[in-house]
Amino acid sequence: QKEVEQDPGPLSVPEGAIVSLNCTYSNSAFQYFMWYRQYSRKGPELLMYTYSSGNKEDGRFTAQVDKSSKYISLFIRDSQPSDSATYLCAQYNFNKFYFGSGTKLNVKP
Amino acid sequence: NAGVTQTPKFQVLKTGQSMTLQCAQDMNHNSMYWYRQDPGMGLRLIYYSASEGTTDKGEVPNGYNVSRLNKREFSLRLESAAPSQTSVYFCASSEVVHISNQPQHFGDGTRLSIL
Repeated sequence: QKEVEQDPGPLSVPEGAIVSLNCTYSNSAFQYFMWYRQYSRKGPELLMYTYSSGNKEDGRFTAQVDKSSKYISLFIRDSQPSDSATYLCAQYNFNKFYFGSGTKLNVKP
Repeated sequence: NAGVTQTPKFQVLKTGQSMTLQCAQDMNHNSMYWYRQDPGMGLRLIYYSASEGTTDKGEVPNGYNVSRLNKREFSLRLESAAPSQTSVYFCASSEVVHISNQPQHFGDGTRLSIL
């Protein structure tokens, strides 16, 4: 079983929609989670990181951790075509970062 | 401000050939990483270097070697390339490896095809 599982999509939404991206994790020992955004033919860039349960908001982005269900989510409000990218979740665990396989998002104008 | 620079950007090799992928960072980071990214598999850690002079295996180290040449540079070597090593390779760096909220900064990758 992979440390972090993520639905690969693709996910296609109209501009302005609320997007929900989700991951599950298996190791509860570490509670540091990150979301990265990766544009085509580019390296991932960090969007947000969270610790333990609860929500963290940054502009149009909200990261949420649900410890009870081992579920992490990224919400994008008022999605824009420029948000079209692959989104990777990651968990920090024993000095290493374990990444999900990524969800490809397409926001249509 | 270059960040993390990887060379080459593209490479085609024949089975059995060797090559070294180069990575350099200009952010004075202590920790550096090599990942491979394959469709459906996400990013998988090959090797990492917590600090200059140290290297450790990641999730998929077989068939690879690394060298932390100095604080700036971390190279990945394929001694005898195999088709299964066809992938996109990413180098990353972070301030320290033991602080989880330190983000990793990634290069733009090396696309490697092995025939």
